[in-house]
Amino acid sequence: EAQVTQNPRYLITVTGKKLTVTCSQNMNHEYMSWYRQDPGLGLRQIYYSMNVEVTDKGDVPEGYKVSRKEKRNFPLILESPSPNQTSLYFCASRVGQGAGKLFFGSGTQLSVL
Amino acid sequence: SQKIEQNSEALNIQEGKTATLTCNYTNYSPAYLQWYRQDPGRGPVFLLLIRENEKEKRKERLKVTFDTTLKQSLFHITASQPADSATYLCALDINGRGKLIFGQGTELSVKP
Repeated sequence: EAQVTQNPRYLITVTGKKLTVTCSQNMNHEYMSWYRQDPGLGLRQIYYSMNVEVTDKGDVPEGYKVSRKEKRNFPLILESPSPNQTSLYFCASRVGQGAGKLFFGSGTQLSVL
Repeated sequence: SQKIEQNSEALNIQEGKTATLTCNYTNYSPAYLQWYRQDPGRGPVFLLLIRENEKEKRKERLKVTFDTTLKQSLFHITASQPADSATYLCALDINGRGKLIFGQGTELSVKP
């Protein structure tokens, strides 16, 4: 089954404790992206990747890191989480650049205390 | 400033009626626009894509229109069912190369 898999589904952590949210897709997609979703603000792009070893900032990249060492994986790293990073996070992928539909993961609800 | 607006209030309709959701934008000239459905606690799911040179697109009970003069897209669900209850997001491609900006979404509730 074609899918984007995120882990964990729920995560509670404390300020400053490094964490990684994993994302994997099995559709051989070139493009992958991370979004955060907050009430009243909608989905906002954090980082995206056009292909292996190619990443770029989205609209709200501060406090986040990503890497794309393999085509299928695109982890999101919070080196020093803060309470304002409490949010619902989604990973998404699609075929290449341009007018393709995005496939989203099921989301990671992160709470930073 | 650049903006995308969807009906901010939830839309409540009776089963069998047509639901119409609005997506308005300013200061963009998108090459295409997409609509997604999102259920509570789940990731958005793609529904339809319409390009700037297309006026209307249909898929089963769904219809999308795209008016680049009015800078507006309308999303219609005909013969609505309680299972259609969800939040619907519009997304614009703002640079012609796949950078999508999402609206905040409109929550639709279809009552039996």
